[in-house]
Amino acid sequence: GAGVSQTPSNKVTEKGKYVELRCDPISGHTALYWYRQSLGQGPEFLIYFQGTGAADDSGLPNDRFFAVRPEGSVSTLKIQRTERGDSAVYLCASSEGQANSPLHFGNGTRLTVT
Amino acid sequence: QKEVEQDPGPLSVPEGAIVSLNCTYSNSAFQYFMWYRQYSRKGPELLMYTYSSGNKEDGRFTAQVDKSSKYISLFIRDSQPSDSATYLCARANQAGTALIFGKGTTLSVSS
Repeated sequence: GAGVSQTPSNKVTEKGKYVELRCDPISGHTALYWYRQSLGQGPEFLIYFQGTGAADDSGLPNDRFFAVRPEGSVSTLKIQRTERGDSAVYLCASSEGQANSPLHFGNGTRLTVT
Repeated sequence: QKEVEQDPGPLSVPEGAIVSLNCTYSNSAFQYFMWYRQYSRKGPELLMYTYSSGNKEDGRFTAQVDKSSKYISLFIRDSQPSDSATYLCARANQAGTALIFGKGTTLSVSS
């Protein structure tokens, strides 16, 4: 079946602009995660959704970052007033939602802020 | 706090070698560990998971948890050039709702 799909695969934006990154999880997966991966680092947790609600947003670095999942399926990560330090690969993952269920990752969106 | 540390490498081995990849963790309360493989410009993919301690084997791959020394290991037998990737170890958070990753070890297997 189809895996986790992320669009766009690459995004270049200017400092100060607003960006939206989209994630389409595996059908039927109730849990959805956003991670950020900088060069040479492991994925860093940002936010976790169970259904439509953000169950844990403790990883969001500041209030410029926001994510939604209005219908419990597709999710959008929104970054306002982008900074050069936001440049990274943003990974989305989904799982069946039980404790310790394996995470299935998409290929990420590579964000470059110039 | 990551509390999962791994040597970033790079690690270079010839084809057919046995590879040992290791992570250390600090909190003995951690019970659930995973290994992910990540190819360049791709998302991580789950290789293996282990719960508590002991060994788990899947084909050429063996995952091991040593709770006494707080070590997590992944062994790859008969390594292949297609095994060249970054290997990430991860632990589940307390609630089992998210994964905390190490930095990853980059492996290169030459033919």
